[in-house]
Amino acid sequence: DAMVIQNPRYQVTQFGKPVTLSCSQTLNHNVMYWYQQKSSQAPKLLFHYYDKDFNNEADTPDNFQSRRPNTSFCFLDIRSPGLGDAAMYLCATSIPTASGANVLTFGAGSRLTVL
Amino acid sequence: KNEVEQSPQNLTAQEGEFITINCSYSVGISALHWLQQHPGGGIVSLFMLSSGKKKHGRLIATINIQEKHSSLHITASHPRDSAVYICAVGGDMRFGAGTRLTVKP
Repeated sequence: DAMVIQNPRYQVTQFGKPVTLSCSQTLNHNVMYWYQQKSSQAPKLLFHYYDKDFNNEADTPDNFQSRRPNTSFCFLDIRSPGLGDAAMYLCATSIPTASGANVLTFGAGSRLTVL
Repeated sequence: KNEVEQSPQNLTAQEGEFITINCSYSVGISALHWLQQHPGGGIVSLFMLSSGKKKHGRLIATINIQEKHSSLHITASHPRDSAVYICAVGGDMRFGAGTRLTVKP
């Protein structure tokens, strides 16, 4: 089935050790999003790609980077994870419909633990 | 001020009650999404609305583009409806803070 797949589902890293989370999609959606969700909070948008155009949120720390080598894949790189970066990281994709609205699909998330 | 405001933040209901969750937004949009997240679970898209009203089972979503307001209604609520309900707007998918719904048997 067409879907959004995130890997790994669970990632444990040490303080300061770089981490890469991946997101792949078979939907051919042109927009991909990365969200950070901490316990009991709503997801917070980190950045999104519209095709290859990268859009960074103003308050996304420099510690967070992203790559989108092609339509199907998007990566979230955390260069030096701190304890405060422990969270669920959610990938989502969307594509505009003829009406301009966006069909939205989420991955299951990658839960990051920082020791 | 957040671009997307939801109310209430928390809602507790008895099984069978009619539930309403509200979302107001300040940006111009082409569509609004209602999302559901069960405890410890992933996010599921319930509705995408650009005008009027949509119904899916016991869930009804309405939107008033002029007033920049949407509501999500749950009829005959059930404990399995307990979840966080989130509205998201805009091409960059900005989320409201979510409404945590608990339905007691």
